[in-house]
Amino acid sequence: EAGVAQSPRYKIIEKRQSVAFWCNPISGHATLYWYQQILGQGPKLLIQFQNNGVVDDSQLPKDRFSAERLKGVDSTLKIQPAKLEDSAVYLCASSQEGGPYFGPGTRLTVT
Amino acid sequence: AQSVTQLGSHVSVSEGALVLLRCNYSSSVPPYLFWYVQYPNQGLQLLLKYTTGATLVKGINGFEAEFKKSETSFHLTKPSAHMSDAAEYFCAVKTYNFNKFYFGSGTKLNVKP
Repeated sequence: EAGVAQSPRYKIIEKRQSVAFWCNPISGHATLYWYQQILGQGPKLLIQFQNNGVVDDSQLPKDRFSAERLKGVDSTLKIQPAKLEDSAVYLCASSQEGGPYFGPGTRLTVT
Repeated sequence: AQSVTQLGSHVSVSEGALVLLRCNYSSSVPPYLFWYVQYPNQGLQLLLKYTTGATLVKGINGFEAEFKKSETSFHLTKPSAHMSDAAEYFCAVKTYNFNKFYFGSGTKLNVKP
């Protein structure tokens, strides 16, 4: 079975620019998570979807971050405008009964 | 709200020694419990998980963990450390309701020759 796919794997942008990340979860997984992992820290949940509805976005900086899950399958996470402190690895994960299973992540560097 | 506490951000052991990484959770209802490993510049890999049934769970690479409800703990152990075990280890909990999933802050394991 294919795993969680994420793209791009790496992205370098300047502060105040915008960026978008894409995630394709494991087929049939209803739950999708986005995490932010800053170097030296544990992953922090940004947003959780159940199908195409939001379960938890309490730690999502909504003034600059947005996320959507179209038709309950793929998801995109957007940052606009980016700040230096947004430099991190952005992890997508999905789960059904077990898991969650994580994608390889997108490493974002904001200069 | 759920929280996960990992005692010790850095643990150092000698090759061949016992590995013990501590994890405690806070919840009135025992959640599902997980351990993940992350090697440098790599993604998160599931080591083992506890959902129901036997409280001693065996995972990959010789690791195991025991769920102790009375102590609200899920410590990770390995009888004999190998150099290849050097990595960062994350404990995590998943709630029954809404499948919320939270990580601890991680423990970096260093293995000395």
